[in-house]
Parts: sequence; structure tokens; C-alpha cells
Amino acid sequence: GAVVSQHPSWVICKSGTSVKIECRSLDFQATTMFWYRQFPKQSLMLMATSNEGSKATYEQGVEKDKFLINHASLTLSTLTVTSAHPEDSSFYICSASRYNEQFFGPGTRLTVL
Amino acid sequence: AQSVAQPEDQVNVAEGNPLTVKCTYSVSGNPYLFWYVQYPNRGLQFLLKYITGDNLVKGSYGFEAEFNKSQTSFHLKKPSALVSDSALYFCAVRDQGNTPLVFGKGTRLSVIA
Repeated sequence: GAVVSQHPSWVICKSGTSVKIECRSLDFQATTMFWYRQFPKQSLMLMATSNEGSKATYEQGVEKDKFLINHASLTLSTLTVTSAHPEDSSFYICSASRYNEQFFGPGTRLTVL
Repeated sequence: AQSVAQPEDQVNVAEGNPLTVKCTYSVSGNPYLFWYVQYPNRGLQFLLKYITGDNLVKGSYGFEAEFNKSQTSFHLKKPSALVSDSALYFCAVRDQGNTPLVFGKGTRLSVIA
């Protein structure tokens, strides 16, 4: 149990376009999901905390208008990178919380050309 | 605020030898400590955690970690390393409750045959 999926697993897009990444908890309900970003050879940095039915809480330095997070149901959170630029290229990882434990998705590699 | 330090960027060990990956932490209250492993272009795989109880925690794939409160350490260990253990290892900590994890910068383990 406690499986988290992400879709897509990788995406390549042109600069200026928007990309949506889905994070799903497949076999449990998650009131809280977290979005992390990982640059090559670096650690995971928390971007935002997503709570079902309410606005996400963003970490300092993360643009909420650029990284739109929607947690519309107890099993789905989405991260939309709006007007993507090459510097947004990164590995995005979500996690879903159950009983105060976090379960991680496999990650989405975004490459912006 | 919580923080995690992994003092080694890289650890090299010969196959069959014991390995240790170091981690020290800082939290205001009781720590919830975790170890994860990441293979190239993959998400995080949970290895083990310490919440309370015995200071020696046994986890997946033969790994274990020892919680040392006086030294604020949570070093990851394995008695006999395998080449397949070569990967990136992250130590993480969080406070009580449904709070996000704070990750160390990661340590790359290389096991040489």
C-alpha cells in the first residue's frame, strides 16, 4: 500500500508554454501533499505544501503565480509550471502524507527548451 | 527550524566491506529521522526511520541506522556493501505532526567490486 504516482514521468516543452504535473495517491487518501524540486546533483528543496480544499502554502522564494498548485481531491494534486523557461528545467517530486508519514512519487523530469 | 547535515559528498567502499554514511541533525523538539535512497532519474525509496524506541533501527536491503541523541547523529550503516548499493543517499528530518521533510544535501555512495 501507500503508492504515489506522478504523470508524466518526463516532459519536454518549449519556452513560454505551461506544463501540468499530476501527483496521485493510488491506494490512500492524502489531505496533504508536498512538492519538491531537485536540481542535478543537489538535494530536494520543498516548494510548497498542498492541502486538499485550500490554498497551497509556498516556501520563501517560490513564485506562487508561476507554480500553480491545485489539490482538488484527496487523491490528486497538480503542479502547473506556467510560462516555463529553461531555468525551470528540473526534477519535480511530490509526496503524499498518510498518518504523518510521507510517500514519494517517482518524479517528473521537466526540460524546457 | 530543522536542519540536516551530511558531511560527505562521496563515500567509496569496497564490495563486502562495511559502509557508513553520516548524518547529523538539528531540531527543536523530538526528531523524526529518515533515510532514503535515490537511483538515477528515479524518485526516493524509503530505507528506514526513527520515531521512538530502540536507538538501532533496521530497514530495507540490510541497512540499519543508529540514533544517537547526545551526538545528534543518525548514521546509516550496512555490514557488507554490495555494488548494487551504489546510489545517492539522503538523510531527512521533520518535526512532529504533518510537517514536510527537510533533506540533507545527499551522499553519493560508490561500492567498488
